[in-house]
Amino acid sequence: AQSVSQHNHHVILSEAASLELGCNYSYGGTVNLFWYVQYPGQHLQLLLKYFSGDPLVKGIKGFEAEFIKSKFSFNLRKPSVQWSDTAEYFCAVNRGSQGNLIFGKGTKLSVKP
Amino acid sequence: NAGVTQTPKFRVLKTGQSMTLLCAQDMNHEYMYWYRQDPGMGLRLIHYSVGEGTTAKGEVPDGYNVSRLKKQNFLLGLESAAPSQTSVYFCASSTGTVNQPQHFGDGTRLSIL
Repeated sequence: AQSVSQHNHHVILSEAASLELGCNYSYGGTVNLFWYVQYPGQHLQLLLKYFSGDPLVKGIKGFEAEFIKSKFSFNLRKPSVQWSDTAEYFCAVNRGSQGNLIFGKGTKLSVKP
Repeated sequence: NAGVTQTPKFRVLKTGQSMTLLCAQDMNHEYMYWYRQDPGMGLRLIHYSVGEGTTAKGEVPDGYNVSRLKKQNFLLGLESAAPSQTSVYFCASSTGTVNQPQHFGDGTRLSIL
């Protein structure tokens, strides 16, 4: 079965530190990849998405992600985090012909001011 | 600019009681989804619908029923609530095109005593 793995359950950083959150998926065919963010007490919001083309995609709020097909990975990065980035981050995948998203279990990010 | 609206936001039920969660979207989306979010589990798909009058099972459908009588509404029913159904429930909608993101509601926090 298709699965999505997020390796870090909880990441704690100080402001201005660099961030990289890992995401790996198990499906070998064409995939569409998403990162969502959930701020405390709020609903999920789309950060960025990848469908095709340039494997380095840029999203909102300075986030970017790199799709590495050979590694089945779609890691999320930000050069310098802010306290306001404290949230839970979810990686999600759907197959090329299937609309349903498979979500990872999420990574909670805490940024210390 | 409502997007996806969920009703109610909070509810406490006793074991064995029934209730219906309502999801309404004003974006004319074809696809609608119900997820549950539990700590450390990410989001898991309960049921989904690819159009008015259609429904399908997701990853964790047991104990839930759904209906999509109108395109803009997607109802999630619990016929006989169990403590294991204590969770936060999110509704989402999308155009149905696989490379388009899902839009989420604010969630319903449901506690079953």
